[in-house]
Amino acid sequence: DIQMTQSPSSLSASVGDRVTITCRASQAISRWLVWYQQKPEKAPKSLIYAASSLESGVPSRFSGSGSGTEFTLTISSLQPEDFATYYCQQYNSYPGTFGGGTKVEMK
Amino acid sequence: EVQLVQSGAEVKKPGESLKISCKASGYSFNTYSIVWVRQMPGKGLEWMGFIYPGDSDTRYSPSFQGQVTISADKSIATAYLQWTSLKASDTAMYYCARQSPGSRPDYWGQGTLVTVSS
Repeated sequence: DIQMTQSPSSLSASVGDRVTITCRASQAISRWLVWYQQKPEKAPKSLIYAASSLESGVPSRFSGSGSGTEFTLTISSLQPEDFATYYCQQYNSYPGTFGGGTKVEMK
Repeated sequence: EVQLVQSGAEVKKPGESLKISCKASGYSFNTYSIVWVRQMPGKGLEWMGFIYPGDSDTRYSPSFQGQVTISADKSIATAYLQWTSLKASDTAMYYCARQSPGSRPDYWGQGTLVTVSS
């Protein structure tokens, strides 16, 4: 199985901050990576797919980059509604493993 | 409009059996896989397995192989996740999601909370 390592596991930030989350795959997955946002008691919501493609309706302050084994999710200016947990997932091969999550909390 | 509607919350005792469902609408059920994902209380997301209703191809994560069974009924566009003998450690939220071959899961169900307690 491909292991997905996400960092940090949590971070504290303020509204307006630039936030960066990293996801590392244990083997190359090309660009077959999706980033999700999850709020308490809600299903995950896809933000970025194919490493850098923005889902329809997702604000442009969210962006993704990377390929192979190293990927990044960036929130350019954190908004109050962005406090949530973020997960990466590879869909290069089965099983479609997830990263451990990054909880973004208010400083 | 694509929708995945999951069955309601369940409270079961250890050793009991359970089958939860995920009803799809708004698209051709046979041409997308249904993936199941577990989220234990306060924990992250875990990929359990999927079924492709078109040919009933089913794959499981090694962690869940033999622990659960994934199935589908094409006639009613519904996928299922079932257990024959629940354990307390099966307590979790379970999500289904639609996934096209070679693409990411794009639509998710609302989740089914399964609680297993004596």
